[in-house]
Amino acid sequence: QQQVKQSPQSLIVQKGGISIINCAYENTAFDYFPWYQQFPGKGPALLIAIRPDVSEKKEGRFTISFNKSAKQFSLHIMDSQPGDSATYFCAASQDGTSGSRLTFGEGTQLTVNP
Amino acid sequence: NAGVTQTPKFQVLKTGQSMTLQCAQDMNHEYMSWYRQDPGMGLRLIHYSVGAGITDQGEVPNGYNVSRSTTEDFPLRLLSAAPSQTSVYFCASSLYYVSSGEQFFGPGTRLTVL
Repeated sequence: QQQVKQSPQSLIVQKGGISIINCAYENTAFDYFPWYQQFPGKGPALLIAIRPDVSEKKEGRFTISFNKSAKQFSLHIMDSQPGDSATYFCAASQDGTSGSRLTFGEGTQLTVNP
Repeated sequence: NAGVTQTPKFQVLKTGQSMTLQCAQDMNHEYMSWYRQDPGMGLRLIHYSVGAGITDQGEVPNGYNVSRSTTEDFPLRLLSAAPSQTSVYFCASSLYYVSSGEQFFGPGTRLTVL
């Protein structure tokens, strides 16, 4: 059972456009929502993250929008560039007495055409 | 700092063979974990450890063993390889809580079981 569902599976955007990737979660105990970027042949790398007490977080061209009541969050990439072409994963975690466990979405393969 | 290192980079096994995937980190992180990445399924947690001598199961632990004798090393053992274990394996490390800081991923091991 996938606790974090991500869409779309793939996305093609023109250079300069806006890329939007959506995620929905089920577990209301999740308290940390990171996005990871992965290039072919590499491990994922943290891109940006948000906590549920904030509705939006922006870092450069990357913005997370968070809707706690709907249990949804999304990644917006403004002015998308060919170098942004990668696979993006949303994730969610909950801190507990045994550390924290990340649950990932299925991933979105983003292609930005020049 | 080398960060998180994994060996080998590629491995081919026959069904029934056993092997150990190595993972090491030099950041003095308490939390280490193993994920497998399969197409369309994101990353799934296999086992994790919150410190030397302490390990716990993740989402898909069957067929895998781990131990944590030192802070730096967290090997993953495949007891009797099966074709279903064909995947890309990532090791990761972070501070005790993922939300305390970035979770760093290794470069991955691509495993094929024939």
